Amino acid sequence: GQQLNQSPQSMFIQEGEDVSMNCTSSSIFNTWLWYKQDPGEGPVLLIALYKAGELTSNGRLTAQFGITRKDSFLNISASIPSDVGIYFCAGYNNAGNMLTFGGGTRLMVKP
Amino acid sequence: KAGVTQTPRYLIKTRGQQVTLSCSPISGHRSVSWYQQTPGQGLQFLFEYFSETQRNKGNFPGRFSGRQFSNSRSEMNVSTLELGDSALYLCASSFGGVGTDTQYFGPGTRLTVL
Repeated sequence: GQQLNQSPQSMFIQEGEDVSMNCTSSSIFNTWLWYKQDPGEGPVLLIALYKAGELTSNGRLTAQFGITRKDSFLNISASIPSDVGIYFCAGYNNAGNMLTFGGGTRLMVKP
Repeated sequence: KAGVTQTPRYLIKTRGQQVTLSCSPISGHRSVSWYQQTPGQGLQFLFEYFSETQRNKGNFPGRFSGRQFSNSRSEMNVSTLELGDSALYLCASSFGGVGTDTQYFGPGTRLTVL
């Protein structure tokens, strides 16, 4: 089963608003990844984080690797309708032998 | 560069049958991983193949198996299908493999078991 707790499970926001979602784990992760999945498609990598404290941006997206290595967050600024989809956090733990996913955050944007 | 491709995109089978899914990785990638995605369990790791050898395995029964060919293409087989096997099956490829390299996902195969 899943080892990453992702919240919120869903968000319904107005276009132009900022969005924040996060992921926590009871164990240390060495790499945090954020993916977006559109209906009927596979997840697409948005941001990869490799070092504790690392803050990385990709356009309107910003993600951070928590200092404790047990959490990460993703922010989306000035949301637009095409941001709609399911966002997943994922990570590699110390063993690094499998990619573990969070439960996903379903984002809905009202124009 | 072409992305990860999976065939078929949709499949309907009945209980007890077996099914084979195919995944072609990004050119040059040596690792192919398989995942099962369901509404209840989310995305779960099945196994990883690297240079034709299974390198990592998740917690799935032996009915789920796979193989990788010398051109890095991979197939996943599920025998004696159960209703609970209905899911989106995703494969992902990377150069260095799970734990060392970013994985890129294909569009998935939607399997429905009746």
